Amino acid sequence: AQRVTQPEKLLSVFKGAPVELKCNYSYSGSPELFWYVQYSRQRLQLLLRHISRESIKGFTADLNKGETSFHLKKPFAQEEDSAMYYCALSGSGGSNYKLTFGKGTLLTVNP
Amino acid sequence: DVKVTQSSRYLVKRTGEKVFLECVQDMDHENMFWYRQDPGLGLRLIYFSYDVKMKEKGDIPEGYSVSREKKERFSLILESASTNQTSMYLCASSIRDRDNSPLHFGNGTRLTVT
Repeated sequence: AQRVTQPEKLLSVFKGAPVELKCNYSYSGSPELFWYVQYSRQRLQLLLRHISRESIKGFTADLNKGETSFHLKKPFAQEEDSAMYYCALSGSGGSNYKLTFGKGTLLTVNP
Repeated sequence: DVKVTQSSRYLVKRTGEKVFLECVQDMDHENMFWYRQDPGLGLRLIYFSYDVKMKEKGDIPEGYSVSREKKERFSLILESASTNQTSMYLCASSIRDRDNSPLHFGNGTRLTVT
């Protein structure tokens, strides 16, 4: 069974501070990991995925298979980063039918 | 840009009513999904469909059914609504043939069952 754990329901930081949203997963095969974001009054959307190894809006995430983690990081948080963030896992083989989401972390960036 | 449209933003229904939630996408995506989003529980998959007339149960299908008669439309049906089905319902679509193509979500339907 595949499982995604986001240990923090709420995370509050000040503008300009570094931010790290934690994500741990459990999966026996080779996982595909994603971060989705939902800004206030907007639809849920893909932020980034580990296979792309790209930085989106200053965010990066590295897949650590040894620690089974996929933490989302940004060195200097901005107020517009305030949103709900979901980590998601898909099994290997390319199918996203069984995309499993974590319970989400609500990030608040204070001025 | 992909557009996933859910017919209602807010819906209030009574216990026992049959409820239809409609979702339409305009990008010819093969895959369509229904999730419910609850505070503290995240997103949970109810049903998905990878082709017309095809459907698969997700993690919490009890009390729900779906219909996919046309490629662009995926309907979620609550046969007899109950108060524990009060939730935000999200529809999503994706391309089937691309490995782990991203999900494109609708704006959601907030359903209240009284």
